[in-house]
Amino acid sequence: SQQGEEDPQALSIQEGENATMNCSYKTSINNLQWYRQNSGRGLVHLILIRSNEREKHSGRLRVTLDTSKKSSSLLITASRAADTASYFCATDTKPISTGANSKLTFGKGITLSVRP
Amino acid sequence: EAGVAQSPRYKIIEKRQSVAFWCNPISGHATLYWYQQILGQGPKLLIQFQNNGVVDDSQLPKDRFSAERLKGVDSTLKIQPAKLEDSAVYLCASSSRTRTGRTEAFFGQGTRLTVV
Repeated sequence: SQQGEEDPQALSIQEGENATMNCSYKTSINNLQWYRQNSGRGLVHLILIRSNEREKHSGRLRVTLDTSKKSSSLLITASRAADTASYFCATDTKPISTGANSKLTFGKGITLSVRP
Repeated sequence: EAGVAQSPRYKIIEKRQSVAFWCNPISGHATLYWYQQILGQGPKLLIQFQNNGVVDDSQLPKDRFSAERLKGVDSTLKIQPAKLEDSAVYLCASSSRTRTGRTEAFFGQGTRLTVV
């Protein structure tokens, strides 16, 4: 089952604008991660925010986490055409079975189109 | 550092045939995931290994899918017999928990399976 739910499902913006994507989840998490997937490729990790953190920056990326609302947002500033891709949030939770400390569950993704 | 290797890159088979996918994770990564990604959807976890033990296979259709990770390194995922709805990209990922608690996953390019 999907843990994270992203919105919007699709986003189209002009180059130079900011893109904001949201993710909501249902259960307690160890951390939350955002990934990017270009068409026909594997997923690439972008940024990780731990459950005790509220905000994280990495280059043009800013991610926030609100554990009370079980939600996160990813902001891409000054977007570029090369940012066109699908973006997924993934929650790292503790598996039911013993033997591992984390299980990574992905949402359905957001399709971002950046027009040149 | 070499990434996650998967083969084959593409596979077309007829329904009721069998197929196998291979994955070589990043050296030293204890956790290995197999995900199924249907077009337009997020990755769905099929099975998670910790070393050579199965941690989670709750969403693996065990009547037709099987996976193993011998010696805690390489892994194979098999489908027998395949159905039309198995058409998807099969992604392998590996991760290792760092001292700071980071658990981001590194993905292979995936195997695109088409069942006709």
